[in-house]
Amino acid sequence: DTGVSQDPRHKITKRGQNVTFRCDPISEHNRLYWYRQTLGQGPEFLTYFQNEAQLEKSRLLSDRFSAERPKGSFSTLEIQRTEQGDSAMYLCASSSLVRETQYFGPGTRLLVL
Amino acid sequence: AQSVTQPDIHITVSEGASLELRCNYSYGATPYLFWYVQSPGQGLQLLLKYFSGDTLVQGIKGFEAEFKRSQSSFNLRKPSVHWSDAAEYFCAVGRLSGGGADGLTFGKGTHLIIQP
Repeated sequence: DTGVSQDPRHKITKRGQNVTFRCDPISEHNRLYWYRQTLGQGPEFLTYFQNEAQLEKSRLLSDRFSAERPKGSFSTLEIQRTEQGDSAMYLCASSSLVRETQYFGPGTRLLVL
Repeated sequence: AQSVTQPDIHITVSEGASLELRCNYSYGATPYLFWYVQSPGQGLQLLLKYFSGDTLVQGIKGFEAEFKRSQSSFNLRKPSVHWSDAAEYFCAVGRLSGGGADGLTFGKGTHLIIQP
């Protein structure tokens, strides 16, 4: 398997701008997860999809955040009107329904100036 | 709500010495437990996992972990550490949902330093 890939790897933006991240899961993995990791902390769960359906959203996922997985393959995470507090590493993971293990991508590091 | 506590923020171990990283969890049902490792600039890599069965699980790179339900613990061990083991280690808990796992809850991590 090719691993989980994320694009871009790094993003610098100004406060108030919108950003979008992309995640390509391991092929044929039904589930796709988004996490956020700030410096010195463990990853925090944001949301996950099973195929196209968004099954769970964390309270961390404010109204400025939206995630999609329109065809059940890749997913996008958009942050509108970015704030400095959004600066973090955004991690994507995928898993199959046969094996529950989540495999993580390298992450997208966001810096909001 | 589920939670994970890793009491040690930093641990320093001499190369060749044994290692134990502590993890305590809070969860209402039978948990799925994981240990991941994160090296600088790298993604999270799964070391091992526990779903059911034998409470002593073996992982990659010579790591093992023991699930103790009575203590709500899932400590990670290695008999002899190598300099390449220096990294951040995360314990996580999840639950089975509809055939797959839902979102994981991670601890804050333990930073492992290896002394020569």
